[in-house]
Amino acid sequence: TQLLEQSPQFLSIQEGENLTVYCNSSSVFSSLQWYRQEPGEGPVLLVTVVTGGEVKKLKRLTFQFGDARKDSSLHITAAQPGDTGLYLCAGTNAGGTSYGKLTFGQGTILTVHP
Amino acid sequence: NAGVTQTPKFQVLKTGQSMTLQCAQDMNHNSMYWYRQDPGMGLRLIYYSASEGTTDKGEVPNGYNVSRLNKREFSLRLESAAPSQTSVYFCASSLEGAHSGNTIYFGEGSWLTVV
Repeated sequence: TQLLEQSPQFLSIQEGENLTVYCNSSSVFSSLQWYRQEPGEGPVLLVTVVTGGEVKKLKRLTFQFGDARKDSSLHITAAQPGDTGLYLCAGTNAGGTSYGKLTFGQGTILTVHP
Repeated sequence: NAGVTQTPKFQVLKTGQSMTLQCAQDMNHNSMYWYRQDPGMGLRLIYYSASEGTTDKGEVPNGYNVSRLNKREFSLRLESAAPSQTSVYFCASSLEGAHSGNTIYFGEGSWLTVV
């Protein structure tokens, strides 16, 4: 079973601060996705990274896939209250019995105070 | 744009009762999924259907059954509900399997409480 360990589990910061969320595994993933979920709604995809070392930027959010494709990070610059939510990483594996399935991390609950 | 629609949104069941969660997508996607979400555990895959006519077990299939009725619809059935099945259930779909990096679209969730 592939596991994704996400940290920290909770993050409470002030508006304007920077933060980083980590997603780590001992397994190699063919791709890794980051989702954001708001209360009462389903997760919404933010980004997919597929190449080791890949960095993608989405406005104030920067996503990085580790060189060995075992870990990823999400960095938010100058956080705003609208960034508040649950952030989930999820990995996919192209082969074996894991074909076509996502493995999710436990999630990071981010609260940004005005 | 409906996307992924699941019903009901809220349900309270007594232990031992049965019920079916319905899910439909209007994006002509081949793959559909059922996940459950519990505090501190992320989302765990219950069952998935890579294409119409096929279903496979996920990480936590015990106590559940599924039916891929047609390309649009994928239902989840609890035959004899247990308190451990109290959770938020999400249906999702993607054009192809998640392995190819396809975007997975989630429904809004169904809150199920078993008492």
